[in-house]
Amino acid sequence: AQSVTQPDIHITVSEGASLELRCNYSYGATPYLFWYVQSPGQGLQLLLKYFSGDTLVQGIKGFEAEFKRSQSSFNLRKPSVHWSDAAEYFCAVVNAGGTSYGKLTFGQGTILTVHP
Amino acid sequence: DAGVTQSPTHLIKTRGQQVTLRCSPKSGHDTVSWYQQALGQGPQFIFQYYEEEERQRGNFPDRFSGHQFPNYSSELNVNALLLGDSALYLCASSLLQGAFFYEQYFGPGTRLTVT
Repeated sequence: AQSVTQPDIHITVSEGASLELRCNYSYGATPYLFWYVQSPGQGLQLLLKYFSGDTLVQGIKGFEAEFKRSQSSFNLRKPSVHWSDAAEYFCAVVNAGGTSYGKLTFGQGTILTVHP
Repeated sequence: DAGVTQSPTHLIKTRGQQVTLRCSPKSGHDTVSWYQQALGQGPQFIFQYYEEEERQRGNFPDRFSGHQFPNYSSELNVNALLLGDSALYLCASSLLQGAFFYEQYFGPGTRLTVT
């Protein structure tokens, strides 16, 4: 069964500092990978996705992520964090075929706190 | 362009009662998925509907059921509510067309509290 691990439950950074949120997945074939962001009490907003091709993908709000097949990772990065980036971030993987076709599997999330 | 909408925003029910949550997909989308997000957890897949049929289901009991209407909107029904059903229920929509199918857009959710 596919699974997603986000090793960091809570990360704190200073405004203007760089950010990297880690995501590791377990999946037999080539996964489709996503990062979502959730503000308190809100739904999920899609930040970026990886389906195929260039392993460095750009998303909204200045975020990017790099797919590394050898490390089964899809880490999210941002060069300079803004206070408005404080939220919870979820990595997710979807099975492009098989019995769980189209089902998103999420990690447990990483809460980002930004200090001024 | 209307996004995914859900109603109601908040709901308080008593154990043993039944509840119905509603979702309207993003304009142009035809597939609806439901997720349960318990406090401090990532969303868990409940089931997915396309062409008014349940296409697949996660590890949820039969107390959880759903429906999709001809206009692609959907309902999630939960019977015999338990305290553990308290959660944020998220609806997501997508378009069943190639890779677009995997790109799911989420609504704001319905916060269900069972007392």
